[in-house]
Amino acid sequence: AQKVTQAQTEISVVEKEDVTLDCVYETRDTTYYLFWYKQPPSGELVFLIRRNSFDEQNEISGRYSWNFQKSTSSFNFTITASQVVDSAVYFCALSVGGFKTIFGAGTRLFVKA
Amino acid sequence: DSGVTQTPKHLITATGQRVTLRCSPRSGDLSVYWYQQSLDQGLQFLIQYYNGEERAKGNILERFSAQQFPDLHSELNLSSLELGDSALYFCASSPQTGTKLFFGSGTQLSVL
Repeated sequence: AQKVTQAQTEISVVEKEDVTLDCVYETRDTTYYLFWYKQPPSGELVFLIRRNSFDEQNEISGRYSWNFQKSTSSFNFTITASQVVDSAVYFCALSVGGFKTIFGAGTRLFVKA
Repeated sequence: DSGVTQTPKHLITATGQRVTLRCSPRSGDLSVYWYQQSLDQGLQFLIQYYNGEERAKGNILERFSAQQFPDLHSELNLSSLELGDSALYFCASSPQTGTKLFFGSGTQLSVL
């Protein structure tokens, strides 16, 4: 069975702080995809990044960076110099075998000015 | 705008009733997914269709059913509604499985 765990329910930081959102996944398959989505207060779900299981290269996109480590089954997401607009719920997700994409419970991030 | 259209945006109904939620995927996307988001359950996968056929099933109740039509739009039918069915129902589409999902804006269902 597949599972995604986001142990951090809520995180509160002050603007300009760095923050890391943790994601641990479980699957026995060797081919899978990992995702991060953002859900701002407006409610829509926005895709942030997708990685496949064969590509462990870390990625940086502006203030966002992702650390994928198969050895620990983790796919963590870091926001550098957080801003108020980063306040949202962030979901980590796993897709295996081309079938359903399952989501973690989400981490609610509050960035205070 | 994700290109995925969900209607209606809001739905208020009573217990015991039946409702239909509609989703039009992005042009060209063959795969449609339905998710339920409630405060205490997070984002729960319900069901996936690919080109008209059911592809995967999640925690979908027997009172719920879905289908994808030849024009690729999908409908989620919820019957014998209970208070606990109140939630935000999202539809998502993707060109193929394993790729990123494009989400609609959701249907907020309130069962009174």
